[in-house]
Amino acid sequence: GEDVEQSLFLSVREGDSSVINCTYTDSSSTYLYWYKQEPGAGLQLLTYIFSNMDMKQDQRLTVLLNKKDKHLSLRIADTQTGDSAIYFCAETLYTGGFKTIFGAGTRLFVKA
Amino acid sequence: DVKVTQSSRYLVKRTGEKVFLECVQDMDHENMFWYRQDPGLGLRLIYFSYDVKMKEKGDIPEGYSVSREKKERFSLILESASTNQTSMYLCASRKSTYEQYFGPGTRLTVT
Repeated sequence: GEDVEQSLFLSVREGDSSVINCTYTDSSSTYLYWYKQEPGAGLQLLTYIFSNMDMKQDQRLTVLLNKKDKHLSLRIADTQTGDSAIYFCAETLYTGGFKTIFGAGTRLFVKA
Repeated sequence: DVKVTQSSRYLVKRTGEKVFLECVQDMDHENMFWYRQDPGLGLRLIYFSYDVKMKEKGDIPEGYSVSREKKERFSLILESASTNQTSMYLCASRKSTYEQYFGPGTRLTVT
């Protein structure tokens, strides 16, 4: 079946790197995403990666995709208190139409 | 700047009431979605629409209906609200195959 799993909590110190992990079950993913949700707000697309890529870097963010293990990770370098939020992993599948499946979200706590 | 707006940020309704949640997008997107967000469960798709007057059931449509009379507007209707529908409701729209743009959410409490 279709499923996206991620751990629910992560706590890091300010200035350290954060690594948020995600696993997915469907190998027909076309795109994989990381969304960020700040308190009281909707989700905002942080970054995405095509399923035929292994890595994508965008300033402090690095996305790694291991297709063999169906594992996606988001690394945030030099984590700041403003990075405290919930991070959602998601994948888009083509099943006759495009369908996006979200993980439960990882709440990142950044300690000053 | 792209924008998805939802009619209310917070709503309190009584059990059995009919509830309307409105969502408007100004990006001329064909696809619009309603999700509910619950702790530990992430986002679950209730309904989506890929064109005016078109609708498709998502993963948890029971107890909900939708209406899409105009391209920019997608309404979620709870015919008879129940306490298990207390949740955060998120609307999103999408034009291309990937990025979805989300509204700020409506936190609905049914007492």
